[in-house]
Amino acid sequence: DAGITQSPRYKITETGRQVTLMCHQTWSHSYMFWYRQDLGHGLRLIYYSAAADITDKGEVPDGYVVSRSKTENFPLTLESATRSQTSVYFCASRPYNSPLHFGNGTRLTVT
Amino acid sequence: GENVEQHPSTLSVQEGDSAVIKCTYSDSASNYFPWYKQELGKGPQLIIDIRSNVGEKKDQRIAVTLNKTAKHFSLHITETQPEDSAVYFCAASYNYGQNFVFGPGTRLSVLP
Repeated sequence: DAGITQSPRYKITETGRQVTLMCHQTWSHSYMFWYRQDLGHGLRLIYYSAAADITDKGEVPDGYVVSRSKTENFPLTLESATRSQTSVYFCASRPYNSPLHFGNGTRLTVT
Repeated sequence: GENVEQHPSTLSVQEGDSAVIKCTYSDSASNYFPWYKQELGKGPQLIIDIRSNVGEKKDQRIAVTLNKTAKHFSLHITETQPEDSAVYFCAASYNYGQNFVFGPGTRLSVLP
């Protein structure tokens, strides 16, 4: 979707390294979300944010950190990457009382 | 919490035939049910959604039905075309909510 950009598209990192996945949206949507997608599990919520400086945990937050100093950006940091964090990560946003809009994802491999 | 099941996990149909994907949810408080289509290498895209005060909604070849009593909802695609081949996800939430709970997905293949 043109209004929400994730970077990088692909990332390979080693176990124990810190890695940050970037998400930028141009719509000024209030809400932003991070999901991970794994075979057999669908999409699982990691963290979400209702506005700048407001974040909260989702279903699978362990090992991840988020921040939201500006409305348009919502980076996701893996402080010490583990192999179990190998996944495809999707950022999403939405305005109040509207459906989710997803980015095109970041495929992360932890070796 | 909410749990969403989705069947089948894979579905192959001949071009021009209909395809039906079914989902069940557990939380009777859920009242918003979107369907997303994910093409290879892309993020999920909303294709249709339904709220619990409506039993059916159509958009050209796509329709969604909801049975609140049985807590299940279905996606119907008629006159399937090769470009309908993708992974489809259902989801459930309360009033859009903070946490859409997604089903595990259905891989639809439309054979020419």
